[in-house]
Amino acid sequence: QKEVEQDPGPLSVPEGAIVSLNCTYSNSAFQYFMWYRQYSRKGPELLMYTYSSGNKEDGRFTAQVDKSSKYISLFIRDSQPSDSATYLCAMSINDYKLSFGAGTTVTVRA
Amino acid sequence: DGGITQSPKYLFRKEGQNVTLSCEQNLNHDAMYWYRQDPGQGLRLIYYSQIVNDFQKGDIAEGYSVSREKKESFPLTVTSAQKNPTAFYLCASRRDRGPQYFGPGTRLLVL
Repeated sequence: QKEVEQDPGPLSVPEGAIVSLNCTYSNSAFQYFMWYRQYSRKGPELLMYTYSSGNKEDGRFTAQVDKSSKYISLFIRDSQPSDSATYLCAMSINDYKLSFGAGTTVTVRA
Repeated sequence: DGGITQSPKYLFRKEGQNVTLSCEQNLNHDAMYWYRQDPGQGLRLIYYSQIVNDFQKGDIAEGYSVSREKKESFPLTVTSAQKNPTAFYLCASRRDRGPQYFGPGTRLLVL
């Protein structure tokens, strides 16, 4: 079993829809949680960083962490074609060595 | 303009050849990392360095080597011992606490 599981998709939604992305993990020692967006042939770009259970909002993006269920989510409201990318979840125990999900490919249709 | 730069953008390796990928950052970050990304897989850690003149092996260090002589620079050498080097290589850095930030990547192809 992988340490971090992420549904690879692909996920296709119409413009304006809510995109919901999830990762589950097995190691209860993970304390720091991140979401990255990666466009094709580019480096990952940090979207969200959190280290506590609950919700964190930044513009159209909401990150949710449920440590008791070992489950994290990213929601994108009012999705745009420019949100079409691969989304990677990442997490760590000690904030310096990350474990990544395989990434979910999202397409937002105009 | 602060950031992480990687060069070259594309690199071609011949059989038996060592090649070196460059990573430079001007963010004054202490820690630097090298990852390999293959299609359909998450990022896998090759090497990391938390301070100058010190580095540790990651999960897939065989066939790779690094150096950290300056805080700003963390070059990665893909040696001839790495039998399947074709991949997208990503460099990242971070402050002593906080998330990692990534460079634009280098795509390595074998001729």
